[in-house]
Amino acid sequence: EPEVTQTPSHQVTQMGQEVILRCVPISNHLYFYWYRQILGQKVEFLVSFYNNEISEKSEIFDDQFSVERPDGSNFTLKIRSTKLEDSAMYFCASNQGLDGYTFGSGTRLTVV
Amino acid sequence: RKEVEQDPGPFNVPEGATVAFNCTYSNSASQSFFWYRQDCRKEPKLLMSVYSSGNEDGRFTAQLNRASQYISLLIRDSKLSDSATYLCVVNKGSGTYKYIFGTGTRLKVLA
Repeated sequence: EPEVTQTPSHQVTQMGQEVILRCVPISNHLYFYWYRQILGQKVEFLVSFYNNEISEKSEIFDDQFSVERPDGSNFTLKIRSTKLEDSAMYFCASNQGLDGYTFGSGTRLTVV
Repeated sequence: RKEVEQDPGPFNVPEGATVAFNCTYSNSASQSFFWYRQDCRKEPKLLMSVYSSGNEDGRFTAQLNRASQYISLLIRDSKLSDSATYLCVVNKGSGTYKYIFGTGTRLKVLA
């Protein structure tokens, strides 16, 4: 079964540092997403990406965040200057449109 | 009213029991509805899509009531392995692929 892969599985970073979270979506999917889940809270939308551009973003996705699809397979989320409150599980997902998402196994980001 | 609302539970049920969860959504323009399952510290996994006519997959049945803006999930003959958090997921509205997640309902199936 095709899957979405994410690396690293866990990242610890110091406050103020930049981090890049990486994802390889399913190859024939067209839409890509980043969600996050703070421990004990609900899964929150960050951004959707289609046709090499952002299609929607949430209030959480401020100027500190950016996404890129640098080649035909990778999809990255960059946080420029991490804050303590950015500590969360970050999930990448992909789909073909209005069908369900397939999620990656997530990157646990810990900001210290 | 929250965009997607679920009873957080936990629902503690014995093995073999039937359990039902409901979820309400606020946007009448929503078109896509799903139930996901999430195990502790894992990614959400698609359990089933929810169609207007209702749909069944083995022990799981999902229903959609557009007039009242709620969806439901019925689990029959609960297994220990069904213990998880069940997430109700709804798309934001027409013309968007953004999905909104409920907070989830925790299910514990007891031996």
